[in-house]
Amino acid sequence: AQSVTQLDSQVPVFEEAPVELRCNYSSSVSVYLFWYVQYPNQGLQLLLKYLSGSTLVKGINGFEAEFNKSQTSFHLRKPSVHISDTAEYFCAVKLSSNTGKLIFGQGTTLQVKP
Amino acid sequence: DTEVTQTPKHLVMGMTNKKSLKCEQHMGHRAMYWYKQKAKKPPELMFVYSYEKLSINESVPSRFSPECPNSSLLNLHLHALQPEDSALYLCASSQGDLLSTDTQYFGPGTRLTVL
Repeated sequence: AQSVTQLDSQVPVFEEAPVELRCNYSSSVSVYLFWYVQYPNQGLQLLLKYLSGSTLVKGINGFEAEFNKSQTSFHLRKPSVHISDTAEYFCAVKLSSNTGKLIFGQGTTLQVKP
Repeated sequence: DTEVTQTPKHLVMGMTNKKSLKCEQHMGHRAMYWYKQKAKKPPELMFVYSYEKLSINESVPSRFSPECPNSSLLNLHLHALQPEDSALYLCASSQGDLLSTDTQYFGPGTRLTVL
């Protein structure tokens, strides 16, 4: 079965420090990878996605992620975080089977401290 | 415009009530989704419509009844809910062919409380 693992449930970090949120997936077929952010009491907003091509993907709000096929990972990074980045971050995959189904990880809470 | 709107924002209902959640998008998308999200958990897929036809029902109890009257509108009718159905209900949309490369755009959600 396909699954997505976000290795850290909570990541506390100080403002202006770099951050990495980890995501690993398991799948025997091709996948497409997404990162969503959910601010408190809001819906999900797409940060970035990897469909094909360059393995380094740049998204909104200064975030980027790197697809590593050999390590089946899609870690999210930001070189300098702001207080406003405090939110829940979800990694998700879609299989190449075209069902439209997103498989979500359990989420990582990013807590940015002043 | 990548906006999906949902109404109401909050809903409180008793176990014998009938209510409906509404979702609307004007992006020309032909696939629409309902998700349920409990606190501190990822969204769980409930239903998928593609070209106004129900494509996926993730074994959701019949007290939840989806409806897709047209390509831009999606409803979720609620009847005889249980307190454990209290959650954030999210709607999403994407281009209609359910391709794996399509991006799902989410609405802000309806916070439902069942008393």
